[in-house]
Amino acid sequence: DAKTTQPPSMDCAEGRAANLPCNHSTISGNEYVYWYRQIHSQGPQYIIHGLKNNETNEMASLIITEDRKSSTLILPHATLRDTAVYYCIAASGAGSYQLTFGKGTKLSVIP
Amino acid sequence: EPEVTQTPSHQVTQMGQEVILRCVPISNHLYFYWYRQILGQKVEFLVSFYNNEISEKSEIFDDQFSVERPDGSNFTLKIRSTKLEDSAMYFCASILAGGPYNEQFFGPGTRLTVL
Repeated sequence: DAKTTQPPSMDCAEGRAANLPCNHSTISGNEYVYWYRQIHSQGPQYIIHGLKNNETNEMASLIITEDRKSSTLILPHATLRDTAVYYCIAASGAGSYQLTFGKGTKLSVIP
Repeated sequence: EPEVTQTPSHQVTQMGQEVILRCVPISNHLYFYWYRQILGQKVEFLVSFYNNEISEKSEIFDDQFSVERPDGSNFTLKIRSTKLEDSAMYFCASILAGGPYNEQFFGPGTRLTVL
């Protein structure tokens, strides 16, 4: 799986959009970009994934650059409950599908 | 909404004792996983399980660890002789099927404390 790089921490004001960047410059053609988050010590929670195109669901939007070397997770209106560690993971849709977590970005949403 | 459940939520044991951590994956899921997270560190993959056998395991998953699916619902992780460094949160996860739509559903975790 390709290595990903994320800033260790970010702050965001409540109600504003949170934009979390991820660099995955060595991503290969068959690797997807997945985002998970972990609130406190709970189990990680899936947010969204994408291959080439931008994706949106009820939780977030994922913007992937045309060269696929980086992506941004957007939480459109961050709430205090979005305070968590966010993980960007590049993984192929093959094999045993296990996830390799990095250190992620600790997002703090501030009132 | 279906969810992965884990028991117990917290297990305290003495070094050298055997522990069994239990998980009930989502009922129609086919791939099962154990991960662990030592306090303050990354979530680490331990083992994946498919079609009643281990499909992949990490270096952490040595002979002290074993997994089993004893019936159609439970998925267990056994640590034969616990060490202090086994103290961690252990997460079970499952996915419906293979492929890129890899939304893994994680359980709430079992906190294992080895004294």
